[in-house]
Amino acid sequence: DAGVIQSPRHEVTEMGQEVTLRCKPISGHNSLFWYRQTMMRGLELLIYFNNNVPIDDSGMPEDRFSAKMPNASFSTLKIQPSEPRDSAVYFCASSFQAGYNSPLHFGNGTRLTVT
Amino acid sequence: LAKTTQPISMDSYEGQEVNITCSHNNIATNDYITWYQQFPSQGPRFIIQGYKTKVTNEVASLFIPADRKSSTLSLPRVSLSDTAVYYCLVGDPWTNAGKSTFGDGTTLTVKP
Repeated sequence: DAGVIQSPRHEVTEMGQEVTLRCKPISGHNSLFWYRQTMMRGLELLIYFNNNVPIDDSGMPEDRFSAKMPNASFSTLKIQPSEPRDSAVYFCASSFQAGYNSPLHFGNGTRLTVT
Repeated sequence: LAKTTQPISMDSYEGQEVNITCSHNNIATNDYITWYQQFPSQGPRFIIQGYKTKVTNEVASLFIPADRKSSTLSLPRVSLSDTAVYYCLVGDPWTNAGKSTFGDGTTLTVKP
């Protein structure tokens, strides 16, 4: 089991540029979550999917953020345009099912720096 | 969602047992308690989950009193590699698992 795979591990970009973060969940897991972690705000849930369908995106900070899950093995989080305050570590997590006491399995994150 | 309160930091020494307590006074009937561990530059890792009484696995034990308003994560005989941030989460896995909120966590430092 390769675990949750995120890419890239590090991303440095300039303000105004588009940023796309990628995630491959664990095979067989049907729930996927995007989190953001900063020193000031800790770990924040941005959005989660069940069976590729977005269930709750209330944590997405603003319209500049969007997430998609075109199939069970791939998801993207896009920021357009990026701003310095978006600098953070972005984690993707998956679980067997949102519910049924299924724990979250996290990737190692993408560290985003917007200058 | 139940709010959790944990100590910001704890220090221990190798070989000692460490107990980290989490307060969740407004825990709901259907809420489960889950603990995660996070090392620097890594995502959180599931440690243990429980609903009531005591749960034990190969890594830790989780003690939950009858009123469920708090829980204690117990790490037996810690080593330097147990230095990490530990998060307590409370939520109903059936309806809002995706909204499980990570608090500030407890930074555990194990000293030689």
